[in-house]
Amino acid sequence: GQNIDQPTEMTATEGAIVQINCTYQTSGFNGLFWYQQHAGEAPTFLSYNVLDGLEEKGRFSSFLSRSKGYSYLLLKELQMKDSASYLCAVRDSNYQLIWGAGTKLIIKP
Amino acid sequence: ETGVTQTPRHLVMGMTNKKSLKCEQHLGHNAMYWYKQSAKKPLELMFVYNFKEQTENNSVPSRFSPECPNSSHLFLHLHTLQPEDSALYLCASSQGLEVETQYFGPGTRLLVL
Repeated sequence: GQNIDQPTEMTATEGAIVQINCTYQTSGFNGLFWYQQHAGEAPTFLSYNVLDGLEEKGRFSSFLSRSKGYSYLLLKELQMKDSASYLCAVRDSNYQLIWGAGTKLIIKP
Repeated sequence: ETGVTQTPRHLVMGMTNKKSLKCEQHLGHNAMYWYKQSAKKPLELMFVYNFKEQTENNSVPSRFSPECPNSSHLFLHLHTLQPEDSALYLCASSQGLEVETQYFGPGTRLLVL
């Protein structure tokens, strides 16, 4: 079967760095997405990786290793507003998105 | 108004009621999606429409009935729901099916009593 694994919950301190991991086993691979979802709000697109390596976008970076079926989202200089759930999703060979259950990130002052 | 909008934002219904969820996208996209999001579970894809034609129905019970009158509007008609259908129902859209990022609406929080 197809599976996306990510930690259920993580806690970090304001101003620090946190890395949220995602491992996947899917039927084929056509890209990996990270979305941010604040409580009660819509998921919003953060990043897309289809080739191995690191993609940087301001305070957020996303890394992909296709051979290892692994990605991480790196958040730097954490702010209180970064408290949210972070969803990892992989597009499989049929171009369907397979979603992880999300990682709830709690930022403490 | 921009982006993807959904109404109502909250809905409480009994098991014998009939209600409809509405989604509208203002992005000029051609594909629209219905997802179910339950607590601590992955998003579950329910239906996909591309150019108003349904392309996916992921074994969704018939008590959920989608309707896509045009590329900008998507409905989810609900009838004789069960308490386990209580969840957040998210609508999303994308320019196309295969390589495009999906943009989500804020969802309808549904409670079935």
